[in-house]
Amino acid sequence: NAGVTQTPKFQVLKTGQSMTLQCAQDMNHNSMYWYRQDPGMGLRLIYYSASEGTTDKGEVPNGYNVSRLNKREFSLRLESAAPSQTSVYFCASSPQGGRSTGELFFGEGSRLTVL
Amino acid sequence: AQSVTQLGSHVSVSEGALVLLRCNYSSSVPPYLFWYVQYPNQGLQLLLKYTSAATLVKGINGFEAEFKKSETSFHLTKPSAHMSDAAEYFCAVANRDDKIIFGKGTRLHILP
Repeated sequence: NAGVTQTPKFQVLKTGQSMTLQCAQDMNHNSMYWYRQDPGMGLRLIYYSASEGTTDKGEVPNGYNVSRLNKREFSLRLESAAPSQTSVYFCASSPQGGRSTGELFFGEGSRLTVL
Repeated sequence: AQSVTQLGSHVSVSEGALVLLRCNYSSSVPPYLFWYVQYPNQGLQLLLKYTSAATLVKGINGFEAEFKKSETSFHLTKPSAHMSDAAEYFCAVANRDDKIIFGKGTRLHILP
């Protein structure tokens, strides 16, 4: 059982380039999340999707866009990458939203470096 | 919005000693609180969660946490530390809009 799959696992970009991080889950979950993890900052929520067709901003949405393509897939796009976006990005899914079950299932992370 | 604060970015304990990791929450409504663990180069996994059913919550790997409303705390404990417990631990809260917000994390070091 694959769970939550993120691609790519590693990526190096130059400032100003664009890229999309892909995330797919095979657990039939409704809710999906994108977080970034930086040393000393914990995980910060970028965007959240409660269900197919809906998205909502999190704590640090600036510089990012998301698409909930269908129930399985939730992509994160950097339109013009900046060095401040160098981070490890985690996708997560949950059967329902946080106050319903609270358990997030995480992917293995995508390490992004912006030069 | 609700938030959590973890006290101590690094905690060191000897193998066999008590583990205590601190988390305080800010919430005007009954909170939904969680502890997650992250081992090196992995994603996070749920240790335990509080959803108002019982104030003492037992989780995996011998960890437990006690919800104390009077202290707005949800500290994580384990009676006897094991080398395999070395990891980073995150406290988290679910907001009314179902978003889950994490604290900054505490890295637990186990001394032989």
